[in-house]
Amino acid sequence: DTGVSQNPRHKITKRGQNVTFRCDPISEHNRLYWYRQTLGQGPEFLTYFQNEAQLEKSRLLSDRFSAERPKGSFSTLEIQRTEQGDSAMYLCASSPRGATEAFFGQGTRLTVV
Amino acid sequence: GEDVEQSLFLSVREGDSSVINCTYTDSSSTYLYWYKQEPGAGLQLLTYIFSNMDMKQDQRLTVLLNKKDKHLSLRIADTQTGDSAIYFCARGANRDDKIIFGKGTRLHILP
Repeated sequence: DTGVSQNPRHKITKRGQNVTFRCDPISEHNRLYWYRQTLGQGPEFLTYFQNEAQLEKSRLLSDRFSAERPKGSFSTLEIQRTEQGDSAMYLCASSPRGATEAFFGQGTRLTVV
Repeated sequence: GEDVEQSLFLSVREGDSSVINCTYTDSSSTYLYWYKQEPGAGLQLLTYIFSNMDMKQDQRLTVLLNKKDKHLSLRIADTQTGDSAIYFCARGANRDDKIIFGKGTRLHILP
């Protein structure tokens, strides 16, 4: 198992463009989480899924953000009409049912110019 | 105030013990975690403690929990240069619930 995989690792986009990130969790992990981390801050919770169901969304997740996990395996996070304030590291994590530990990917670093 | 608070920086001499402190506000926190983040690497779970425990030891790591004061600490014995990283205190309400992180403590090792 190669761990949680996130693509792309880096993304530079112009303000106003849409971007989509992908997360492939560890096989058979039914929980998948998205976090955002800015410089000097800890990861901030965005949303999480149990299988294909999105169980909770943070108020940080504005209408421009949408996340999906259509088949309960990989997940995508889309940001529409990107703003400079969206520049951050977007982290994905997964965990099996009832587990204590969440396993994090290395993140996708988004820069909005 | 912040949900999970920790000091931002700590400098320790190599070979000494490092103690990183954390306070949290939500008394429903069942799991308290310490994560490590090294440059260019993902977050790694170091250890965790369940809220009905007051101490957990794992090799060089000792976690102390004062539930009454909502205070958590991580002690790293015999600190090495490889321990240089950012350490995040975090809490969770249930076993696989979302995790709420502090801002992290950057541990700097002095020669």
